[in-house]
Amino acid sequence: DQQVKQNSPSLSVQEGRISILNCDYTNSMFDYFLWYKKYPAEGPTFLISISSIKDKNEDGRFTVFLNKSAKHLSLHIVPSQPGDSAVYFCAASSLKGGGSNYKLTFGKGTLLTVNP
Amino acid sequence: DAMVIQNPRYQVTQFGKPVTLSCSQTLNHNVMYWYQQKSSQAPKLLFHYYDKDFNNEADTPDNFQSRRPNTSFCFLDIRSPGLGDAAMYLCATSRGGPAYNEQFFGPGTRLTVL
Repeated sequence: DQQVKQNSPSLSVQEGRISILNCDYTNSMFDYFLWYKKYPAEGPTFLISISSIKDKNEDGRFTVFLNKSAKHLSLHIVPSQPGDSAVYFCAASSLKGGGSNYKLTFGKGTLLTVNP
Repeated sequence: DAMVIQNPRYQVTQFGKPVTLSCSQTLNHNVMYWYQQKSSQAPKLLFHYYDKDFNNEADTPDNFQSRRPNTSFCFLDIRSPGLGDAAMYLCATSRGGPAYNEQFFGPGTRLTVL
């Protein structure tokens, strides 16, 4: 069973427009969420995170929104740039429950293509 | 630059022939992880070490073993690789501790099983 779901395998956006990547989760114990970006032939790199005590976190062009009641989060990239083209993974963790706070559960990823 | 290094980047082995993948880190992080990622799938955690404490995932096959001889190095041993073990293997590290912190990933080792 997939506890973290990214239902869109791919997304194509024009340069300068907004990119919105979505993620849903089913485990109500998750209370910390992260987005990773992955270029081909490289490992994932951390992009931005959000704790469940917040509903928004912003870092430059990247904003993550969390809707706990809907168990949904989204990553907004504004404005999108061609260099943003990559696979974006949503991941979740729980700070409750002892050792599990070291573990991440990943979604399958969404391939973002930003066209010039 | 502090980083996570994986060697080799590409590994070809034969069906049933043991193989070892290597990971090293200069971040001095307490926790080291091994993930398996197959095409278009989510990275799947195989196991992790918190310092010397080994934590195996319940569904990790016995064919996969790991060693962490010191803080900097961690190895993934596949005792008898099958065709289904062909995948990208990702090593990651994190500081550990009571608060969550992000994981830092290496570039991965692409394993091919012939």
